[in-house]
Amino acid sequence: GAVVSQHPSWVICKSGTSVKIECRSLDFQATTMFWYRQFPKQSLMLMATSNEGSKATYEQGVEKDKFLINHASLTLSTLTVTSAHPEDSSFYICSASGIVSGSTETQYFGPGTRLLVL
Amino acid sequence: GDSVTQMEGPVTLSEEAFLTINCTYTATGYPSLFWYVQYPGEGLQLLLKATKADDKGSNKGFEATYRKETTSFHLEKGSVQVSDSAVYFCALENSGYSTLTFGKGTMLLVSP
Repeated sequence: GAVVSQHPSWVICKSGTSVKIECRSLDFQATTMFWYRQFPKQSLMLMATSNEGSKATYEQGVEKDKFLINHASLTLSTLTVTSAHPEDSSFYICSASGIVSGSTETQYFGPGTRLLVL
Repeated sequence: GDSVTQMEGPVTLSEEAFLTINCTYTATGYPSLFWYVQYPGEGLQLLLKATKADDKGSNKGFEATYRKETTSFHLEKGSVQVSDSAVYFCALENSGYSTLTFGKGTMLLVSP
């Protein structure tokens, strides 16, 4: 149990285009999902927290108009990088918070999406 | 604010050696503590966790004990394998909040 998927796993796009990344909790319901960004050989930087049916809460310094987050259901959150530029190239990882198999609430991470903007 | 400090890597070991990766934290209240592992090109996998003082989390031969008196959660394994080569992240989740605070990660390289 506790599987989180992301799609796509790899995306290459031209500068100025928008890219949508999906995050799904496959076998549990997640009221809260998180989006992280990871630069090479660095730790994860929390970008935003999204709760199902409400607006996302963005961390300081993260442009909400640039990184649009939608959490439409208890199993799906999307991150759209609008008008992507080369500096947006990064590894984006989502996580979903849920209670699985009677355990306490825990964040489970997706496999990540590598974005390259040319 | 909350913070997590991990020993800098890379940690290089021979197969079957003993592993310790140090992790200390600063937090208000009573956080839960986690170790996550990231294999090359992949997302994070939860390795183990502990939710209160003196709890020991264990999984796949790895273990870590929540030490409130020393604010530590060191990761140990008695005999590492080449397949353990990865980046290990220590993290905390403060009670009342749902966000994780990560350490910078420690790369482990195990040679045959």
